[in-house]
Amino acid sequence: GENVEQHPSTLSVQEGDSAVIKCTYSDSASNYFPWYKQELGKRPQLIIDIRSNVGEKKDQRIAVTLNKTAKHFSLHITETQPEDSAVYFCAASMGGGADGLTFGKGTHLIIQP
Amino acid sequence: GAVVSQHPSRVICKSGTSVKIECRSLDFQATTMFWYRQFPKQSLMLMATSNEGSKATYEQGVEKDKFLINHASLTLSTLTVTSAHPEDSSFYICSAPRGGLNTGELFFGEGSRLTVL
Repeated sequence: GENVEQHPSTLSVQEGDSAVIKCTYSDSASNYFPWYKQELGKRPQLIIDIRSNVGEKKDQRIAVTLNKTAKHFSLHITETQPEDSAVYFCAASMGGGADGLTFGKGTHLIIQP
Repeated sequence: GAVVSQHPSRVICKSGTSVKIECRSLDFQATTMFWYRQFPKQSLMLMATSNEGSKATYEQGVEKDKFLINHASLTLSTLTVTSAHPEDSSFYICSAPRGGLNTGELFFGEGSRLTVL
């Protein structure tokens, strides 16, 4: 089955700086890569996703890049703000969508004021 | 936007009792729903896939007789933890895809924190 590795497990950045979280996946058949943000005790929420037919997607301060050859994808958050503090999970699936999502272990992002 | 609602949000029960958790898609139909378990400071682990009108598909290592799943309608799936033990204490989250299993966005319920005494 699919295996998703996520790094780092904890990331602390100064407010206003950029944050990058990286994930690798094992199965080249995976074609859908969403990122979720989860605040303590709350539900995960989709913040951005990318499909295997594109290499990069951007939404305001958030961007995701995908390298299919290397089987890795990254989340980039620019101009970080205190409300960006949360746990971020990457995921991958072969079904093109929600079916069979495998999650990374999560990254606890801490924005230092 | 699409909403998935989960109930109860918190439940405390005695060891040996059963607990039922409901997951509802409020503004869309979901023939498939997913149940996850999340231990503190850990990732979401898929337990089972709930299929409307048919048996659930369980992930390896998940006891189907302990975690009973029923998906009786297009908007409701239930997870029953039977004969709960303290090691079953966890955060249980359901999710449902809107817009199709392979093209839709996955929406999560609020989660249910189970504490077994």
